Amino acid sequence: DTAVSQTPKYLVTQMGNDKSIKCEQNLGHDTMYWYKQDSKKFLKIMFSYNNKELIINETVPNRFSPKSPDKAHLNLHINSLELGDSAVYFCASSQRDLYGYTFGSGTRLTVV
Amino acid sequence: SQQGEEDPQALSIQEGENATMNCSYKTSINNLQWYRQNSGRGLVHLILIRSNEREKHSGRLRVTLDTSKKSSSLLITASRAADTASYFCATGSSNTGKLIFGQGTTLQVKP
Repeated sequence: DTAVSQTPKYLVTQMGNDKSIKCEQNLGHDTMYWYKQDSKKFLKIMFSYNNKELIINETVPNRFSPKSPDKAHLNLHINSLELGDSAVYFCASSQRDLYGYTFGSGTRLTVV
Repeated sequence: SQQGEEDPQALSIQEGENATMNCSYKTSINNLQWYRQNSGRGLVHLILIRSNEREKHSGRLRVTLDTSKKSSSLLITASRAADTASYFCATGSSNTGKLIFGQGTTLQVKP
């Protein structure tokens, strides 16, 4: 019954690998987001999708590619992982832009 | 770019005391929101205040917004050990179409 669920919770991988993080929401929200939280807890938006359409694409390396097969899912694929990609990645959703977000519990990515 | 600046960065109080956190921002906004993050968890939405509102209450939380000073405060009254967490302000602007978070205030409430 979790509202926004992300998998996996932890991900440890070697540099150069490709990995994916999955996100699903069962709230019926139209908009989904990916945020990156660094070691200083600073949260930065990466992508936003509204009804499967990409609406925000921040200055993120093109090694990061979001995919939204339907409005309840937003996955994040990362190619050629680098040490600097180590962070906690949060998925979130909202009914409309700028309203209260519901966050997933995060995926802690460690690149070694 | 970071929109919100929070003050203080860290706050330590005794249970029962009030905790006040401040947030300043730079550009015009539609609303300002406060979130709590417990260690190792996701963010939880606490309260949203619109740009035409000055004050809002939710339980032990009181939020004020001063758009002329581009600042907001979050007051937690009668704090409890369970309030120990990081608190983030976030500003929503139709100009940017996104919610931008401040760097957060880490609150420790000692029992």
